[in-house]
Amino acid sequence: DTGVSQNPRHKITKRGQNVTFRCDPISEHNRLYWYRQTLGQGPEFLTYFQNEAQLEKSRLLSDRFSAERPKGSFSTLEIQRTEQGDSAMYLCAGGNTGELFFGEGSRLTVL
Amino acid sequence: QKEVEQNSGPLSVPEGAIASLNCTYSDRGSQSFFWYRQYSGKSPELIMFIYSNGDKEDGRFTAQLNKASQYVSLLIRDSQPSDSATYLCAVGGGTSYGKLTFGQGTILTVHP
Repeated sequence: DTGVSQNPRHKITKRGQNVTFRCDPISEHNRLYWYRQTLGQGPEFLTYFQNEAQLEKSRLLSDRFSAERPKGSFSTLEIQRTEQGDSAMYLCAGGNTGELFFGEGSRLTVL
Repeated sequence: QKEVEQNSGPLSVPEGAIASLNCTYSDRGSQSFFWYRQYSGKSPELIMFIYSNGDKEDGRFTAQLNKASQYVSLLIRDSQPSDSATYLCAVGGGTSYGKLTFGQGTILTVHP
């Protein structure tokens, strides 16, 4: 157990709906990362925060995706107008150096 | 060309044998190298990291890095059925540490 918690663990939604995922890292991690993983592939970087500042976003992160980390604590990842291609595992990870400690992930299924 | 490529699997080894997992990367500026283990339905778990050329040992695991050849490997000695999982190679670089590029993973099965 890395201490990084994610909610909800599973989300099933209909195409066009909005969904939000939450990540609670451990307090020692000042960097927080979001990755996405589809079946049979490795995780892909989406974005990361140092404290409350969002320092980098991947080109994978379309305008429908937004992430926040208010006050440098928990983070949320919102997907607006979901599409079937958004179906994936959304992974949050914390860390202070290069080593990442992942939460259990939030699995999204878009029908 | 994929940025991080792992040897195609699945890889099957008998219990007690050495499992060898390989990974090549394309970005010569990469500075940090990681191996994660992922059990089915679970999230990736960090098992080894290496930053300098050479070998790094931790228990039954040895990571090997050759920056000139852009190659990193993971050896698992005395493989156990509990080592059966997908192994992910990940590469990072520069100040955006933690922004990792992962390979597609190699499925390892250790049979009794």
